Amino acid sequence: QKEVEQNSGPLSVPEGAIASLNCTYSDRGSQSFFWYRQYSGKSPELIMSIYSNGDKEDGRFTAQLNKASQYVSLLIRDSQPSDSATYLCAGGGTSYGKLTFGQGTILTVHP
Amino acid sequence: GAVVSQHPSWVICKSGTSVKIECRSLDFQATTMFWYRQFPKQSLMLMATSNEGSKATYEQGVEKDKFLINHASLTLSTLTVTSAHPEDSSFYICSAFNRALNYGYTFGSGTRLTVV
Repeated sequence: QKEVEQNSGPLSVPEGAIASLNCTYSDRGSQSFFWYRQYSGKSPELIMSIYSNGDKEDGRFTAQLNKASQYVSLLIRDSQPSDSATYLCAGGGTSYGKLTFGQGTILTVHP
Repeated sequence: GAVVSQHPSWVICKSGTSVKIECRSLDFQATTMFWYRQFPKQSLMLMATSNEGSKATYEQGVEKDKFLINHASLTLSTLTVTSAHPEDSSFYICSAFNRALNYGYTFGSGTRLTVV
């Protein structure tokens, strides 16, 4: 069973702090990884994609991938109340086949 | 950027009737379309994968005769929930993908189905 596991939540951080979201995956064949943000009742929206080992930064967001450890993370700097949502980690196969989603981590940023 | 339009955004239907959900890629050709179902406070569960012009591949436990998927063109895929029952009430989301484009997976806005 190909699985993606996210660290247990919910996660609560104060405004302005760094939120750290973590994810591990079991399929070593996974090549592409994605972080999605989902607000209640809405569809997921792509935050970051990462394909290579190392860090990828986009504004306040940094994704990290370590294929040896089968670990993906997302850091959100200067967290804002509007970042409060469920964050979904997803991994894709070698041929960009179907995505496998983690169970999600609920993030709350309190003022 | 890639845009996927999904309709309707919500629908209420009577038990035993059928409901069709449409998913259109507006500015790119979706070679592959994925259909997900999401129950409250749960993650997305893949129901089926469809490639244009071929039959959909259903995930284990998903009834293909109940959830009919058609991907007749590169810009349109439909999911029909047949003989709907209250337990089919859920949030259905499509996701379009084109292997040749660098858009990743683009999600539709989702359809909230309530069967009464």
